[in-house]
Amino acid sequence: QQQVKQSPQSLIVQKGGISIINCAYENTAFDYFPWYQQFPGKGPALLIAIRPDVSEKKEGRFTISFNKSAKQFSLHIMDSQPGDSATYFCAARNGRAGNMLTFGGGTRLMVKP
Amino acid sequence: DTEVTQTPKHLVMGMTNKKSLKCEQHMGHRAMYWYKQKAKKPPELMFVYSYEKLSINESVPSRFSPECPNSSLLNLHLHALQPEDSALYLCASSHGPGGPGEDTQYFGPGTRLTVL
Repeated sequence: QQQVKQSPQSLIVQKGGISIINCAYENTAFDYFPWYQQFPGKGPALLIAIRPDVSEKKEGRFTISFNKSAKQFSLHIMDSQPGDSATYFCAARNGRAGNMLTFGGGTRLMVKP
Repeated sequence: DTEVTQTPKHLVMGMTNKKSLKCEQHMGHRAMYWYKQKAKKPPELMFVYSYEKLSINESVPSRFSPECPNSSLLNLHLHALQPEDSALYLCASSHGPGGPGEDTQYFGPGTRLTVL
């Protein structure tokens, strides 16, 4: 059972555009939501994270929007650059189960020059 | 410094070989993790060590054997693997439950394993 659903699976954006990746969850035990960026052949790198008591968090060009009532959260990449081309994973941490992470299926982002 | 190191970067082994993957962190983290990642898929949790004790084993076959010699090191011993075990093996670490701040997991670069 996939507890975190991520969409789209792939995304193509022009340079300078906005990339939007969405995630939805069901488990109300999730209490922390990190996003990871992964380049081919590398490990996932923490990009930005949010707690459910905050509706939005911004770090540079990256923003997480969080809708607790809808159990949805999204990553917005403003002014997308070719260097942002990577796979992005949302994740949700279960604070009642040893802080284990459940990952979304991933989104492959390509930013065209 | 949020660095987790892994060696080797690449490993090719036969089905009868015995090899080990190594992971190291010097962030004072007390939880360490092994994940397996297949191409175009998210990481799948294999094992969790918390305060040097195995706390979670996600029904991983016994041909994978984890070891945590001390709080900074994590090994994964491999024996009699199958070709379908070929994947990127990722190590991660975090403060652990009860630690300071968020219990964020930081990943290493991974070991690309090929089983022939």
